[in-house]
Amino acid sequence: AQSVTQPDIHITVSEGASLELRCNYSYGATPYLFWYVQSPGQGLQLLLKYFSGDTLVQGIKGFEAEFKRSQSSFNLRKPSVHWSDAAEYFCAVDFSSNTGKLIFGQGTTLQVKP
Amino acid sequence: NAGVTQTPKFRVLKTGQSMTLLCAQDMNHEYMYWYRQDPGMGLRLIHYSVGEGTTAKGEVPDGYNVSRLKKQNFLLGLESAAPSQTSVYFCASSYSSITSGSSTDTQYFGPGTRLTVL
Repeated sequence: AQSVTQPDIHITVSEGASLELRCNYSYGATPYLFWYVQSPGQGLQLLLKYFSGDTLVQGIKGFEAEFKRSQSSFNLRKPSVHWSDAAEYFCAVDFSSNTGKLIFGQGTTLQVKP
Repeated sequence: NAGVTQTPKFRVLKTGQSMTLLCAQDMNHEYMYWYRQDPGMGLRLIHYSVGEGTTAKGEVPDGYNVSRLKKQNFLLGLESAAPSQTSVYFCASSYSSITSGSSTDTQYFGPGTRLTVL
């Protein structure tokens, strides 16, 4: 079955430090890849997405992600984390490309230390 | 422009009771989705709709029914609630699913409904 894995359930970084959140998906044709962020008590907000082309994509709030086909990965990065980045982050994949059905990873909770 | 709204925000049910969750969007989106979010499991797709009058099953459809009588509304029903349906429910919508690289296929999410079944 198609699946999406976020290996890190919880990550803690210091404010100003760099961040990388991992996302791997099960093998298949190049899927469509997304990262969402969820602040406590809120819905999900799209950070960025990859469909094709340049494998390094830029998103909102200073985030970027790199698609690596050979590793079936789509890791999210930010060079300098701000306290307001504390939230839960979800990687999502559309394997079907014709229904918009997303499969989500389990989520990674980011805690930012002052 | 309110985006995607969900009613109610919170609800407590007893086992066996029924209820309907309402999702409304004012963006003229064709596609709408219902997800449930459980700790450690991310979001899982319950049902979705690719247009007015259509519905289809997602990953975890059992125990739920949906209807899309109007383009702007997508209703999720629980006919006989069970404790296993205690969850946070999110609705989402998108203009299309055509992965053209444009913004039209981005899914926009509502704020969620927290449901507890006792």
